[in-house]
Amino acid sequence: AQSVTQLDSHVSVSEGTPVLLRCNYSSSYSPSLFWYVQHPNKGLQLLLKYTSAATLVKGINGFEAEFKKSETSFHLTKPSAHMSDAAEYFCVVTPRLTSGTYKYIFGTGTRLKVLA
Amino acid sequence: GAGVSQSPSNKVTEKGKDVELRCDPISGHTALYWYRQSLGQGLEFLIYFQGNSAPDKSGLPSDRFSAERTGGSVSTLTIQRTQQEDSAVYLCASSLVLAETQYFGPGTRLLVL
Repeated sequence: AQSVTQLDSHVSVSEGTPVLLRCNYSSSYSPSLFWYVQHPNKGLQLLLKYTSAATLVKGINGFEAEFKKSETSFHLTKPSAHMSDAAEYFCVVTPRLTSGTYKYIFGTGTRLKVLA
Repeated sequence: GAGVSQSPSNKVTEKGKDVELRCDPISGHTALYWYRQSLGQGLEFLIYFQGNSAPDKSGLPSDRFSAERTGGSVSTLTIQRTQQEDSAVYLCASSLVLAETQYFGPGTRLLVL
């Protein structure tokens, strides 16, 4: 079965400290993996994506994620949190099924709070 | 257009009524997706279109839900005989090709009384 698990529903960090948002996936096939961000009252925006070209993926706003196949993980990191990073983050896996169709599986989200 | 647009932005309806939600994807995007985001929950994938075709409708919550796309552009999501549990934000996204980066619209907030 295909699934994605975001291990923390809420994460709080102090401004200027590192951010780690965890994501583990389960997929029978090599999926594409994405991180999206949703700011309050705003639409979803792509942060970064992994499509097998490189295991370390750099995204916008200083975020990056590393694809680790052995650990089936795609954790999102940022060296130094900024107040504007406060938002909800979604990990997404898009496996292609044997039928040729796709599924788009969103994690339940991690709400990041940045403390001054 | 500049981005994905959805209409209406808000819809209040009475239980049992039908509603139609519209999505205008980015021009030239061949793939279109519908999601539902309920309060306090993540995004639930409903259906995707490749061109005008929806190869997998199993994500639709019940047979009261249907979606169509015509001309490879505009899509409508129709909910018949709405129920209170249908209240949610319905999001539409499009991508240039299937399984590539999705660009999301602002959503339609549906409230069923």
